[in-house]
Amino acid sequence: GAGVSQSPRYKVAKRGQDVALRCDPISGHVSLFWYQQALGQGPEFLTYFQNEAQLDKSGLPSDRFFAERPEGSVSTLKIQRTQQEDSAVYLCASSQGRGGYNEQFFGPGTRLTVL
Amino acid sequence: TQLLEQSPQFLSIQEGENLTVYCNSSSVFSSLQWYRQEPGEGPVLLVTVVTGGEVKKLKRLTFQFGDARKDSSLHITAAQPGDTGLYLCAGGNYDKVIFGPGTSLSVIP
Repeated sequence: GAGVSQSPRYKVAKRGQDVALRCDPISGHVSLFWYQQALGQGPEFLTYFQNEAQLDKSGLPSDRFFAERPEGSVSTLKIQRTQQEDSAVYLCASSQGRGGYNEQFFGPGTRLTVL
Repeated sequence: TQLLEQSPQFLSIQEGENLTVYCNSSSVFSSLQWYRQEPGEGPVLLVTVVTGGEVKKLKRLTFQFGDARKDSSLHITAAQPGDTGLYLCAGGNYDKVIFGPGTSLSVIP
């Protein structure tokens, strides 16, 4: 389909392992957002890309979290030395326009469980 | 820090009843959006409101943006089981979007 896709859908990691979560946005969408969502809560903003530029990373919880979008399309969220508190659903969203004003199209998320 | 609050946190009603959920902030947002999320899926946009005092209707759903652009409400008329889900409001600015904690709605047949 032409929607936002994320992989893997589920990831189980042992504490201390590194993980990489992938987001394929809708083709041509300028903006890309990453969110962390705990069970029963709203998504928490992590970072925002406009094309390949990371304009805001203020929501990243620690320096173990790193995101990139080198060619302005696919994005990867990397978490180093995972901790149990990193367990959550990680959502990616893209939008056609610039900024947070526009409709965001979300992927299904990656559910990360850290044991 | 910009924060959005939503109330109630949980709501369980019978099919056919009306309900209103609220979204409040101490900050002004350039736009406010309402999303609905079902388990295992990402949120899906319902509506965007931009102008203070704006009212938008989407079938049985009525959305209102406060005059000061700090609060919003969502009213559902004659709720259906298919309305069950997590209703999220989100405030958008240039470089980020802030989501509220959501209202979890359950409509019982």
